[in-house]
Amino acid sequence: GAGVSQSPRYKVAKRGQDVALRCDPISGHVSLFWYQQALGQGPEFLTYFQNEAQLDKSGLPSDRFFAERPEGSVSTLKIQRTQQEDSAVYLCASSLERGYSYEQYFGPGTRLTVT
Amino acid sequence: QQQVKQSPQSLIVQKGGISIINCAYENTAFDYFPWYQQFPGKGPALLIAIRPDVSEKKEGRFTISFNKSAKQFSLHIMDSQPGDSATYFCAASEGRAGGTSYGKLTFGQGTILTVHP
Repeated sequence: GAGVSQSPRYKVAKRGQDVALRCDPISGHVSLFWYQQALGQGPEFLTYFQNEAQLDKSGLPSDRFFAERPEGSVSTLKIQRTQQEDSAVYLCASSLERGYSYEQYFGPGTRLTVT
Repeated sequence: QQQVKQSPQSLIVQKGGISIINCAYENTAFDYFPWYQQFPGKGPALLIAIRPDVSEKKEGRFTISFNKSAKQFSLHIMDSQPGDSATYFCAASEGRAGGTSYGKLTFGQGTILTVHP
C-alpha cells in the first residue's frame, strides 16, 4: 500500500521567502508528526497532530513555523521569512493510533535549502 | 539538551562481522526504545524496538540489549552484510501510565555504518 508521501522533495528558497511543505500520511492514520533533521544529525521533533488537533507544538523553533492539518489527513508545515538556519530535511511521520507503541511510518522528507 | 547520546558516529565492519552501536539516555520517563535505519534520500524505517521490562530482544540478525540501571541500550547486527550499510538511529519515547503519551520520539545523533564486502 501507499506510504507517507511528502512534497516537494526538494525546495530552494531565498532568505526571507515563505515556504509550504506538504505531508500526505497513510490513509486512516490518526497521529501525524513533523520532525526536522539537520545535516548529519538525528531528527528532532517539531509538532504533533491527533486528527485535526495540534496537541503539541513545543518543538517549533520560532513563531515563523506554523503547521496545520485542517481535515485530519493532509498536513502542511509553513515557514515564514526563511532563514539559513532553517535549511534541513523536514520529515513527516504518521501512526495508526495515538500512543508510543504504534509504529511511526516516515515519509522521504523535503530537503529545504535556504540561500 | 541532548537526551539520547549515540556512539560511535561512524563504524566500518567487514562482511560477516558484528556491528555494535550504543546509546545512553537521561530521561527516566523514557519507556520505549526503537532503532531506526535510514538510507540516503529516504525517511527512517523502524528496525526493532524494546521496552524496559525485558533486557534483550532479537529479531533475525538484529538484537537490542537493554540495561535499565545504567540507562543504556545497544543494537547488535550479526553477520553484517553490505546491504546493511546505512545510518542507524536509536530513539526513545515516554510512556506514561494512563495512556497520555502519544509517541513523540527523541533521537540519537546517528551512526553511519559501512559494511565492506
